[in-house]
Amino acid sequence: SSELTQDPAVSVALGQTVRITCQGDSLRSYYASWYQQKPGQAPVLVIYGKNNRPSGIPDRFSGSSSGNTASLTITGAQAEDEADYYCNSRDSSGNPNVVFGGGTKLTVL
Amino acid sequence: QVQLQESGPGLVKPSETLSLTCTVSGGSISSYYWSWIRQPAGKGLEWIGRIYTSGSTNYNPSLKSRVTMSVDTSKNQFSLKLSSVTAADTAVYYCARYRGELSTYYFDYWGQGTLVTVSS
Repeated sequence: SSELTQDPAVSVALGQTVRITCQGDSLRSYYASWYQQKPGQAPVLVIYGKNNRPSGIPDRFSGSSSGNTASLTITGAQAEDEADYYCNSRDSSGNPNVVFGGGTKLTVL
Repeated sequence: QVQLQESGPGLVKPSETLSLTCTVSGGSISSYYWSWIRQPAGKGLEWIGRIYTSGSTNYNPSLKSRVTMSVDTSKNQFSLKLSSVTAADTAVYYCARYRGELSTYYFDYWGQGTLVTVSS
């Protein structure tokens, strides 16, 4: 399968922990990468690989994986974390194609 | 710091060809993969394809028949052509640098995006 599935919307209380998930067959072979996108802005890479954060990304963002599910965890969510989050991976079919999840809208209450 | 900037017409007529260029600054375009990604208003991200600086390409199967990508290393630019466009191709188009290593594949630098509207 070349699809990645995400919950359309998730909410979290300010300062609490939230997990955003991404499911797909390709995640049995490849790590997911995660992007944060705020309205009117380009996506920003927040997690890649097993659990790597690019420079400038707060350490409250972390990634994990189990079986066909990848997770992005925000520990102590802040108001500025309210955004859309997308996962991506490589297609598991053997082709070097890229797939994105449908995105999760995170609301910080 | 690597920066990417998309450029091209913001309005394209139906059945014509959409053409965009991405200029890379702050680093060399060589020895990397580069991609185009688009996002219709209110919708998710769709990968269009990737090109290596050798000119080798891979395209999204759903768009493959209409997509052509090219690279000009002397100008630190790569380009997208999408033929026979329809209103469904209206979207914000992003260019991005694509990395693949150790079972992980990601886009580490993105352009700001450019809105392309298909309309007569």
